[in-house]
Amino acid sequence: DTAVSQTPKYLVTQMGNDKSIKCEQNLGHDTMYWYKQDSKKFLKIMFSYNNKELIINETVPNRFSPKSPDKAHLNLHINSLELGDSAVYFCASTQGGGRVNTIYFGEGSWLTVV
Amino acid sequence: GESVGLHLPTLSVQEGDNSIINCAYSNSASDYFIWYKQESGKGPQFIIDIRSNMDKRQGQRVTVLLNKTVKHLSLQIAATQPGDSAVYFCAEGGGSYIPTFGRGTSLIVHP
Repeated sequence: DTAVSQTPKYLVTQMGNDKSIKCEQNLGHDTMYWYKQDSKKFLKIMFSYNNKELIINETVPNRFSPKSPDKAHLNLHINSLELGDSAVYFCASTQGGGRVNTIYFGEGSWLTVV
Repeated sequence: GESVGLHLPTLSVQEGDNSIINCAYSNSASDYFIWYKQESGKGPQFIIDIRSNMDKRQGQRVTVLLNKTVKHLSLQIAATQPGDSAVYFCAEGGGSYIPTFGRGTSLIVHP
């Protein structure tokens, strides 16, 4: 069974479109994240959800919005896509509690905006 | 904000050699460090971790060294194999929910 799964794996879309990436974890973790990885492999955190509440939100444009229907899911919605949004987006989860424990990553979603 | 950085973006080694990947951190409050390996086309995966009350921890073919004085940690891979080719990240934690990663070091193993 896949621990952290995200869909779609590949997404090619035009500028201005709105798209979503879904993520599910079956590890029973209480904290989920979205990371963005650029072409230089820089891995930057975008959002973190703990027990369905947003607890961090880095300097991410408000075109990006996380949605968590329950603690096993954290979806990423992106409005008005721009060329610079092209990247690999990773969903991840961990058991929180105020400490950084092992983070389990999904396989990534390759987003290309044309 | 605090940052985690890696000294070398790319490290090339010969198969069988030992590899050393370095990482500097700036948050003195960090007390937990993790190394991740990211193979091509996949997400990062846990390799080994170390807590700040230790200065060395060994795994299978990997050793992590922590020097809190200079805020530096390293990942040593013994007898590097082609399957070790990947991007390696260090991540730090300091009592918050913010797991911070750096840019990553690309390890290339030549047969």
